[in-house]
Amino acid sequence: KAGVTQTPRYLIKTRGQQVTLSCSPISGHRSVSWYQQTPGQGLQFLFEYFSETQRNKGNFPGRFSGRQFSNSRSEMNVSTLELGDSALYLCASSPASTVTDTQYFGPGTRLTVL
Amino acid sequence: GEDVEQSLFLSVREGDSSVINCTYTDSSSTYLYWYKQEPGAGLQLLTYIFSNMDMKQDQRLTVLLNKKDKHLSLRIADTQTGDSAIYFCADAEAGGADGLTFGKGTHLIIQP
Repeated sequence: KAGVTQTPRYLIKTRGQQVTLSCSPISGHRSVSWYQQTPGQGLQFLFEYFSETQRNKGNFPGRFSGRQFSNSRSEMNVSTLELGDSALYLCASSPASTVTDTQYFGPGTRLTVL
Repeated sequence: GEDVEQSLFLSVREGDSSVINCTYTDSSSTYLYWYKQEPGAGLQLLTYIFSNMDMKQDQRLTVLLNKKDKHLSLRIADTQTGDSAIYFCADAEAGGADGLTFGKGTHLIIQP
């Protein structure tokens, strides 16, 4: 089975722009979660989608949003980028309907905001 | 809120055992995980343990859980240079509303 894939792998944007990141889960997985990884804050939970609905949300401003499509693929969007949004964004998928089910991570998208 | 703590660095000699420790505060944790991250890569799931278990062994990996002290450890037997990475402890609370809560990660350094 193919693993979790994320595109693009690297992005460079400037302050004020917006960005969309994509995640394709493992085939058959219906839950997709997003995490932000920075050297200072470590790994932080952004949100989780299941069956096209946002089921859980972390403590991030409304500039961070996401969605999930009927094929379970997910996108996250960050509007009005700030320098502090520079991070590795990781997507994880899990097979079942509870977020406590084992999560499998993709390679991440490295976002640099200049 | 809940918290997961790990020491930042561990240095071991090749061939020795590595023991990476983790403490957590959330008494409702149901699952506890160990992930490995190599430079420039995502997180690789190594192993996990349910909160009603004390120990789990998987080839060179042994996980010990002391639920009373909220202490989790990962032992890697016969540590090799390929084990050099950052190891993250993570927990999932019952209901999972906050996703996984991760520690800051332990850098495992292998000395020849």
